[in-house]
Amino acid sequence: AQSVTQPDIHITVSEGASLELRCNYSYGATPYLFWYVQSPGQGLQLLLKYFSGDTLVQGIKGFEAEFKRSQSSFNLRKPSVHWSDAAEYFCAVYNNNDMRFGAGTRLTVKP
Amino acid sequence: DAGITQSPRHKVTETGTPVTLRCHQTENHRYMYWYRQDPGHGLRLIHYSYGVKDTDKGEVSDGYSVSRSKTEDFLLTLESATSSQTSVYFCAISGTTGLNTGELFFGEGSRLTVL
Repeated sequence: AQSVTQPDIHITVSEGASLELRCNYSYGATPYLFWYVQSPGQGLQLLLKYFSGDTLVQGIKGFEAEFKRSQSSFNLRKPSVHWSDAAEYFCAVYNNNDMRFGAGTRLTVKP
Repeated sequence: DAGITQSPRHKVTETGTPVTLRCHQTENHRYMYWYRQDPGHGLRLIHYSYGVKDTDKGEVSDGYSVSRSKTEDFLLTLESATSSQTSVYFCAISGTTGLNTGELFFGEGSRLTVL
């Protein structure tokens, strides 16, 4: 079965600093890949997605992610974090009606 | 935002009682899903539907049943609630064109507490 690992449970960064959230997946082929964000008390919102083609994908709110097939990774990045980015972030992989989520990384932003 | 409404948003119940959560969509999406969210586990799929009266199990389906009698409604039922089913439940939809790319739109969640 496919699986998703987000190694960092909690990350704290200063406002204005760069951010990278890690995601590794286990699957035989290249699944569709997603990053979702969840603000407290809310449902999940899609940040970006990768289906095929260019391995660097742009999303909303200034986020980007890079797919690296050799490392089975799909890391999320942002050059300069804003206080409003504090939330929980979930990586997900999808194939044939099977969507698996990572356990999530909670981002805290220091002033 | 996709039109997804979950009800109730909050519920407290006692062990052994039946509970039904409702998901209603106004987007005419083909696929509907029920997930539960627990700390340290992310979201885990309970059941999903790929059309009216067409449903299938997810990875944590034990103790849950679902029904979809019309496109817009997807019901999740706990026949006899247990404390281990205390969780936040999310409904999601996908498949705007009938194809399923896995891009999900989520409801705001239903928090269930089983005492």
